[in-house]
Amino acid sequence: QKEVEQNSGPLSVPEGAIASLNCTYSDRGSQSFFWYRQYSGKSPELIMSIYSNGDKEDGRFTAQLNKASQYVSLLIRDSQPSDSATYLCAASFYFGTGTSLTVIP
Amino acid sequence: DARVTQTPRDKVTEMGQEVTMRCQPILGHNTVFWYRQTMMQGLELLAYFRNRAPLDDSGMPKDRFSAEMPDATLATLKIQPSEPRDSAVYFCASGLGQYETQYFGPGTRLLVL
Repeated sequence: QKEVEQNSGPLSVPEGAIASLNCTYSDRGSQSFFWYRQYSGKSPELIMSIYSNGDKEDGRFTAQLNKASQYVSLLIRDSQPSDSATYLCAASFYFGTGTSLTVIP
Repeated sequence: DARVTQTPRDKVTEMGQEVTMRCQPILGHNTVFWYRQTMMQGLELLAYFRNRAPLDDSGMPKDRFSAEMPDATLATLKIQPSEPRDSAVYFCASGLGQYETQYFGPGTRLLVL
């Protein structure tokens, strides 16, 4: 399977801070990239999708894609305790193992 | 509110038994994926279908796993015979193409004793 690598964490940030999540992928042919959030015991749900190089913003979330470096990132601004979850990066339909994020009140 | 549904939600069985998991994709979605999730391996792709045709099942142990789509509203994943190492959460997801957003079902939690 195509590899998608994420820092497994855990990553802890204080409430209100910026959380930065990173991901690299091995398949240069990948055309679509996704960040999913998964709460414990629940199924993954889409946070952001990105298809072109550069930044894409949606509310407190910004996804960044650099195809030359095969790198995808997710920034979460003004982190809230409700953002505490595992964040899964996907290149097409291949997933990383996830980064666990804890936002400390 | 369109959702992917999966049955059963939980399954406990003994080693050697057959296990069948079912998935109803969102109406109109032409792509269906099966994943297995464990703490150690994360979310592993087992197989996926487009327009009911299997496109890739290279992630499945062929000797014991099989996946089918008898019709557009039903996908099945079978394990025969089951083994303790098959214990995991199995997710079905559907979408409008293999490179598009996937919508996940609630998962089937399988425990093989």
